[in-house]
Amino acid sequence: RKEVEQDPGPFNVPEGATVAFNCTYSNSASQSFFWYRQDCRKEPKLLMSVYSSGNEDGRFTAQLNRASQYISLLIRDSKLSDSATYLCVVNKGTSYDKVIFGPGTSLSVIP
Amino acid sequence: GAGVSQSPSNKVTEKGKDVELRCDPISGHTALYWYRQSLGQGLEFLIYFQGNSAPDKSGLPSDRFSAERTGGSVSTLTIQRTQQEDSAVYLCASRGVGRTGIPNYGYTFGSGTRLTVV
Repeated sequence: RKEVEQDPGPFNVPEGATVAFNCTYSNSASQSFFWYRQDCRKEPKLLMSVYSSGNEDGRFTAQLNRASQYISLLIRDSKLSDSATYLCVVNKGTSYDKVIFGPGTSLSVIP
Repeated sequence: GAGVSQSPSNKVTEKGKDVELRCDPISGHTALYWYRQSLGQGLEFLIYFQGNSAPDKSGLPSDRFSAERTGGSVSTLTIQRTQQEDSAVYLCASRGVGRTGIPNYGYTFGSGTRLTVV
């Protein structure tokens, strides 16, 4: 089993739709979780950290389920500008310093 | 500087030649990482520097790859005797440490060096 797995996608959704991505991780000792966004031919950029209680940033909501070892990202009212690849990032075990990037899920928001 | 700077942005080299890729992290960031991303693929960890500690080289794919970080700042990734499979975007990222010693969340990536081996 890979250390971090994501929905393969691609997700093609109309503007205004709600879309959710899931990510599973294999190391139960992991403590830090993030979602990154990567635009085509660009570097990844931090979208949001994922906290145990769940957190929201505008149209974006991140959830963590430690028991099932997955995190999710929900995007409401999708915009064309949300089109990108979304990377799930999990720290490697108890180390803060080493993280594993998931393979990413591609999202295309269609007019 | 304000961000992570990488140079060159693009590099085309002939198979068998050596290349050097440079990364200038954000000033004061103690952690520096190199990743590689092949076309359409995810990020592959290469090497990690943290302060004065010995680097974590566990991701380097072969002994043709090496990296150093001078003075805890600038890092150079060297690929010797390049092969076509080395073609990829090489990304550098840095990360700061808060006052408590816990790393600040979030990596800042440079825009990468696109290496093409012909």
